[in-house]
Amino acid sequence: EAGVAQSPRYKIIEKRQSVAFWCNPISGHATLYWYQQILGQGPKLLIQFQNNGVVDDSQLPKDRFSAERLKGVDSTLKIQPAKLEDSAVYLCASGLGTQYFGPGTRLLVL
Amino acid sequence: AQTVTQSQPEMSVQEAETVTLSCTYDTSESDYYLFWYKQPPSRQMILVIRQEAYKQQNATENRFSVNFQKAAKSFSLKISDSQLGDAAMYFCAYRSPAYSGNTPLVFGKGTRLSVIA
Repeated sequence: EAGVAQSPRYKIIEKRQSVAFWCNPISGHATLYWYQQILGQGPKLLIQFQNNGVVDDSQLPKDRFSAERLKGVDSTLKIQPAKLEDSAVYLCASGLGTQYFGPGTRLLVL
Repeated sequence: AQTVTQSQPEMSVQEAETVTLSCTYDTSESDYYLFWYKQPPSRQMILVIRQEAYKQQNATENRFSVNFQKAAKSFSLKISDSQLGDAAMYFCAYRSPAYSGNTPLVFGKGTRLSVIA
């Protein structure tokens, strides 16, 4: 069984630029999560999807972050414009009973 | 809101010895799930063990076992016969039951485990 795929693995941008991350969950998983993990901390939820609908985006900074899951499979997380404090690892996970994580995208904002 | 506390930022253990990582949590729910995840330096988060709150029996997975004390809201992880490959960040996490609909994981800050050869 293929795991959760994410790309890119690393991204370096300058502040005020935009960036997008892609996630492909495990086949058949209706629930998809995006987490932000700042260095030295545990992951924190940004947004949860159930199929292509948003379940929880209360912690998503909506003035700069957006996410979509149009066909209920792949998902894209976008940051525009990026700030220095957005430097973090962005983790995608899928599954309801047990969540399985992708390798993450490490973002550095200079 | 639920919170998870890991009071040990760093721990070390000799190879082949046993180590226990601590975790406490706060919740008003009676039904929930607890997890330990391992995150090696490559950053792939891997599930180590899972415990359902309604089960009194402590979960075990090979060399990994938990001590789940529901009344005390404590959920510690014991690693027996430690191996070099066990070196990683370990995160304790809480999840509400599926019927609540909103089921993200709430993580602690993690414990960095070093294994000394």
